[in-house]
Amino acid sequence: GENVEQHPSTLSVQEGDSAVIKCTYSDSASNYFPWYKQELGKRPQLIIDIRSNVGEKKDQRIAVTLNKTAKHFSLHITETQPEDSAVYFCADRNDYKLSFGAGTTVTVRA
Amino acid sequence: NAGVMQNPRHLVRRRGQEARLRCSPMKGHSHVYWYRQLPEEGLKFMVYLQKENIIDESGMPKERFSAEFPKEGPSILRIQQVVRGDSAAYFCASSPSGQGDQPQHFGDGTRLSIL
Repeated sequence: GENVEQHPSTLSVQEGDSAVIKCTYSDSASNYFPWYKQELGKRPQLIIDIRSNVGEKKDQRIAVTLNKTAKHFSLHITETQPEDSAVYFCADRNDYKLSFGAGTTVTVRA
Repeated sequence: NAGVMQNPRHLVRRRGQEARLRCSPMKGHSHVYWYRQLPEEGLKFMVYLQKENIIDESGMPKERFSAEFPKEGPSILRIQQVVRGDSAAYFCASSPSGQGDQPQHFGDGTRLSIL
Protein backbone atom coordinates (compact mmCIF):
# COMPACT_ATOMS: atom_id res chain seq x y z
CA GLY A 1 0.00 0.00 0.00
CA GLU A 2 1.03 3.58 -0.47
CA ASN A 3 0.08 5.14 2.85
CA VAL A 4 1.39 3.86 6.15
CA GLU A 5 1.04 6.10 9.18
CA GLN A 6 3.29 5.44 12.18
CA HIS A 7 3.03 6.83 15.71
CA PRO A 8 4.67 8.08 17.79
CA SER A 9 7.64 9.60 15.99
CA THR A 10 9.74 9.48 19.16
CA LEU A 11 9.40 7.32 22.25
CA SER A 12 11.44 7.44 25.44
CA VAL A 13 11.01 4.64 27.98
CA GLN A 14 12.68 3.60 31.20
CA GLU A 15 14.71 0.42 31.01
CA GLY A 16 12.48 -2.51 31.88
CA ASP A 17 9.27 -0.79 30.77
CA SER A 18 7.31 -1.66 27.62
CA ALA A 19 7.30 0.22 24.32
CA VAL A 20 4.40 0.22 21.88
CA ILE A 21 4.46 1.55 18.33
CA LYS A 22 1.31 1.76 16.24
CA CYS A 23 0.78 1.82 12.49
CA THR A 24 -2.22 2.15 10.24
CA TYR A 25 -2.47 1.33 6.56
CA SER A 26 -4.98 2.13 3.87
CA ASP A 27 -4.59 -0.61 1.26
CA SER A 28 -7.01 -3.42 2.07
CA ALA A 29 -5.08 -5.70 -0.30
CA SER A 30 -1.95 -5.53 1.88
CA ASN A 31 -1.16 -9.00 3.18
CA TYR A 32 2.22 -8.82 4.85
CA PHE A 33 3.44 -6.52 7.62
CA PRO A 34 7.13 -6.50 8.60
CA TRP A 35 8.88 -4.47 11.26
CA TYR A 36 12.45 -3.30 10.83
CA LYS A 37 14.96 -1.99 13.37
CA GLN A 38 17.60 0.41 12.13
CA GLU A 39 20.55 1.55 14.22
CA LEU A 40 22.39 4.69 13.26
CA GLY A 41 24.26 4.26 9.99
CA LYS A 42 23.27 0.62 9.61
CA ARG A 43 20.93 -1.47 7.53
CA PRO A 44 17.25 -1.98 8.39
CA GLN A 45 17.02 -5.38 10.07
CA LEU A 46 13.86 -7.43 9.97
CA ILE A 47 12.88 -8.17 13.57
CA ILE A 48 9.41 -9.64 13.19
CA ASP A 49 6.68 -9.92 10.58
CA ILE A 50 3.06 -10.95 10.44
CA ARG A 51 0.89 -12.20 7.62
CA SER A 52 -2.69 -11.19 7.08
CA ASN A 53 -4.15 -14.52 8.17
CA VAL A 54 -2.67 -14.18 11.65
CA GLY A 55 -3.78 -11.83 14.44
CA GLU A 56 -0.76 -11.97 16.72
CA LYS A 57 2.81 -13.21 16.70
CA LYS A 58 5.41 -13.26 19.45
CA ASP A 59 9.17 -13.76 19.49
CA GLN A 60 10.71 -13.50 22.96
CA ARG A 61 10.33 -9.85 24.06
CA ILE A 62 8.79 -8.70 20.79
CA ALA A 63 5.19 -9.14 19.71
CA VAL A 64 3.14 -7.82 16.83
CA THR A 65 -0.64 -7.61 16.59
CA LEU A 66 -2.75 -7.08 13.48
CA ASN A 67 -6.34 -5.88 13.22
CA LYS A 68 -7.30 -6.22 9.57
CA THR A 69 -10.76 -4.79 10.04
CA ALA A 70 -9.41 -1.56 11.48
CA LYS A 71 -6.23 -1.69 9.35
CA HIS A 72 -4.05 -1.33 12.45
CA PHE A 73 -0.92 -3.18 13.46
CA SER A 74 1.32 -2.65 16.46
CA LEU A 75 4.75 -3.58 17.76
CA HIS A 76 5.18 -4.34 21.44
CA ILE A 77 8.58 -4.57 23.10
CA THR A 78 8.55 -5.76 26.70
CA GLU A 79 11.31 -5.47 29.34
CA THR A 80 13.15 -2.92 27.22
CA GLN A 81 16.93 -2.85 27.32
CA PRO A 82 19.42 -0.14 26.25
CA GLU A 83 20.25 -2.13 23.11
CA ASP A 84 16.63 -1.73 22.01
CA SER A 85 17.38 1.94 21.33
CA ALA A 86 17.05 2.45 17.56
CA VAL A 87 14.65 3.65 14.89
CA TYR A 88 11.82 1.23 14.19
CA PHE A 89 9.92 1.14 10.90
CA CYS A 90 6.66 -0.56 10.15
CA ALA A 91 5.76 -1.46 6.58
CA ASP A 92 3.01 -3.06 4.61
CA ARG A 93 3.28 -5.00 1.42
CA ASN A 94 0.86 -5.52 -1.41
CA ASP A 95 2.34 -7.89 -3.96
CA TYR A 96 6.06 -7.05 -3.87
CA LYS A 97 6.38 -3.39 -2.90
CA LEU A 98 7.10 -2.40 0.70
CA SER A 99 5.65 0.90 1.89
CA PHE A 100 7.30 2.17 5.04
CA GLY A 101 6.11 4.34 7.88
CA ALA A 102 8.17 7.39 8.78
CA GLY A 103 9.83 5.65 11.72
CA THR A 104 9.83 5.81 15.51
CA THR A 105 12.99 6.74 17.36
CA VAL A 106 13.03 4.68 20.54
CA THR A 107 15.32 5.68 23.39
CA VAL A 108 15.65 3.38 26.38
CA ARG A 109 16.85 5.26 29.47
CA ALA A 110 19.09 3.31 31.81
CA ASN B 1 26.19 -17.36 4.12
CA ALA B 2 26.70 -13.81 2.86
CA GLY B 3 23.81 -11.41 3.04
CA VAL B 4 22.98 -8.67 0.57
CA MET B 5 26.21 -6.97 -0.44
CA GLN B 6 26.31 -3.36 -1.52
CA ASN B 7 29.25 -1.28 -2.63
CA PRO B 8 30.59 1.19 -2.22
CA ARG B 9 29.47 1.97 1.36
CA HIS B 10 30.18 5.65 0.85
CA LEU B 11 30.34 7.54 -2.41
CA VAL B 12 31.16 11.20 -2.92
CA ARG B 13 30.44 12.87 -6.24
CA ARG B 14 30.47 16.42 -7.53
CA ARG B 15 27.41 17.88 -9.17
CA GLY B 16 27.13 16.71 -12.77
CA GLN B 17 29.08 13.48 -12.27
CA GLU B 18 27.70 9.96 -12.49
CA ALA B 19 27.11 7.64 -9.54
CA ARG B 20 27.01 3.85 -9.89
CA LEU B 21 25.77 1.79 -6.97
CA ARG B 22 26.10 -1.99 -6.91
CA CYS B 23 24.08 -4.67 -5.19
CA SER B 24 24.63 -8.42 -5.05
CA PRO B 25 21.58 -10.24 -3.65
CA MET B 26 21.67 -13.04 -1.12
CA LYS B 27 22.54 -16.44 -2.52
CA GLY B 28 19.49 -18.01 -4.06
CA HIS B 29 17.63 -14.70 -4.37
CA SER B 30 16.73 -13.52 -7.85
CA HIS B 31 14.53 -10.54 -6.92
CA VAL B 32 16.11 -7.18 -6.13
CA TYR B 33 14.56 -3.97 -4.84
CA TRP B 34 16.11 -0.52 -4.49
CA TYR B 35 14.96 1.98 -1.86
CA ARG B 36 16.08 5.52 -1.06
CA GLN B 37 16.24 6.95 2.43
CA LEU B 38 16.55 10.67 3.03
CA PRO B 39 17.87 11.81 6.44
CA GLU B 40 15.41 11.10 9.26
CA GLU B 41 12.83 9.64 6.89
CA GLY B 42 11.55 6.20 6.02
CA LEU B 43 12.60 4.22 2.99
CA LYS B 44 10.92 4.93 -0.33
CA PHE B 45 10.56 2.28 -3.01
CA MET B 46 12.37 3.04 -6.25
CA VAL B 47 12.54 -0.04 -8.49
CA TYR B 48 11.99 -3.80 -8.53
CA LEU B 49 14.02 -6.05 -10.79
CA GLN B 50 14.39 -9.69 -11.61
CA LYS B 51 17.26 -11.04 -13.65
CA GLU B 52 17.35 -9.10 -16.95
CA ASN B 53 13.92 -7.58 -16.30
CA ILE B 54 12.63 -4.38 -14.74
CA ILE B 55 9.31 -5.27 -13.16
CA ASP B 56 8.34 -1.95 -11.59
CA GLU B 57 10.22 1.33 -11.77
CA SER B 58 7.35 3.52 -10.64
CA GLY B 59 9.30 4.98 -7.70
CA MET B 60 12.31 6.00 -9.73
CA PRO B 61 12.62 9.50 -11.26
CA LYS B 62 12.12 9.33 -15.02
CA GLU B 63 15.23 11.34 -15.77
CA ARG B 64 18.84 10.63 -14.82
CA PHE B 65 18.06 7.39 -12.93
CA SER B 66 18.31 3.91 -14.37
CA ALA B 67 18.65 0.39 -12.98
CA GLU B 68 19.62 -2.98 -14.34
CA PHE B 69 20.08 -6.54 -13.11
CA PRO B 70 22.03 -8.42 -15.76
CA LYS B 71 22.15 -12.16 -16.18
CA GLU B 72 25.64 -12.17 -14.68
CA GLY B 73 26.86 -9.78 -12.03
CA PRO B 74 25.30 -7.40 -9.55
CA SER B 75 22.34 -5.10 -9.92
CA ILE B 76 23.38 -1.53 -10.74
CA LEU B 77 21.59 1.69 -9.85
CA ARG B 78 22.93 4.48 -12.00
CA ILE B 79 22.43 8.19 -11.43
CA GLN B 80 23.60 10.50 -14.16
CA GLN B 81 24.40 14.20 -13.74
CA VAL B 82 23.93 14.07 -9.99
CA VAL B 83 22.47 17.02 -8.10
CA ARG B 84 22.55 17.93 -4.40
CA GLY B 85 19.09 16.49 -3.89
CA ASP B 86 20.37 13.02 -4.79
CA SER B 87 22.28 12.91 -1.50
CA ALA B 88 20.74 10.04 0.44
CA ALA B 89 21.27 6.48 1.58
CA TYR B 90 20.39 3.96 -1.11
CA PHE B 91 19.45 0.50 0.12
CA CYS B 92 19.10 -2.67 -1.86
CA ALA B 93 17.01 -5.61 -0.69
CA SER B 94 16.51 -9.08 -2.08
CA SER B 95 14.03 -11.91 -1.73
CA PRO B 96 13.81 -15.45 -3.09
CA SER B 97 10.60 -14.69 -4.97
CA GLY B 98 8.27 -11.81 -5.62
CA GLN B 99 5.47 -13.28 -3.56
CA GLY B 100 3.93 -10.86 -1.12
CA ASP B 101 4.80 -12.73 2.07
CA GLN B 102 8.48 -13.31 1.38
CA PRO B 103 10.78 -11.23 3.62
CA GLN B 104 13.04 -8.69 2.02
CA HIS B 105 16.55 -8.58 3.46
CA PHE B 106 18.53 -5.37 3.19
CA GLY B 107 22.16 -4.59 2.48
CA ASP B 108 24.23 -2.05 4.41
CA GLY B 109 23.41 0.66 1.90
CA THR B 110 25.43 3.19 -0.06
CA ARG B 111 25.58 6.68 1.39
CA LEU B 112 25.81 9.08 -1.51
CA SER B 113 27.03 12.60 -0.86
CA ILE B 114 26.97 15.26 -3.56
CA LEU B 115 29.36 18.17 -3.22
